[in-house]
Amino acid sequence: DAKTTQPTSMDCAEGRAANLPCNHSTISGNEYVYWYRQIHSQGPQYIIHGLKNNETNEMASLIITEDRKSSTLILPHATLRDTAVYYCIVRTSGTASKLTFGTGTRLQVTL
Amino acid sequence: DTGVSQDPRHKITKRGQNVTFRCDPISEHNRLYWYRQTLGQGPEFLTYFQNEAQLEKSRLLSDRFSAERPKGSFSTLEIQRTEQGDSAMYLCASSLTGGGTDTQYFGPGTRLTVL
Repeated sequence: DAKTTQPTSMDCAEGRAANLPCNHSTISGNEYVYWYRQIHSQGPQYIIHGLKNNETNEMASLIITEDRKSSTLILPHATLRDTAVYYCIVRTSGTASKLTFGTGTRLQVTL
Repeated sequence: DTGVSQDPRHKITKRGQNVTFRCDPISEHNRLYWYRQTLGQGPEFLTYFQNEAQLEKSRLLSDRFSAERPKGSFSTLEIQRTEQGDSAMYLCASSLTGGGTDTQYFGPGTRLTVL
């Protein structure tokens, strides 16, 4: 699976959009981009995934560039409860491939 | 849909003791994964099952570790002769094949402290 690069940390004001970037320049055609988050001392929580089209669900939006070498997770109206470590993971979907977590981005939402 | 559950949530043991953790996956999920997470790091893959068959094991899974999924439903992870380096959060995830995505959903984890 391709490697990903994320900023170590980011801050966001409550109520504003949080835009979390991820670089995955070596992604191949059958690899999906997955996002998980982990709130302190809890298990990782699935957020969203996509292949090449932008995706949106009740939690977030995922914007993937046309060349698929990077993506952005958008939390449209961040709240204090969104403070967590966010992991961007590239994975070949449909196979039983493990998730390879990096160190993620620590998002701090502030008042 | 009741999510992945793990038991116990916390375990404190003395070095040299054996411990066993249990994971109950989401109902009907046929794949089950175990991960380990140490402080400040992301989770690391240990092993996975498809139904009752253990199909992949990481090099992290030393011979002191054994995992089972006897009836293709719940799974157990046993650590024999625990060492202080085994202190970590042990996470279980499950997924359902078919539909192309095989998204893994995680449980709350079992935090192990070896004294």
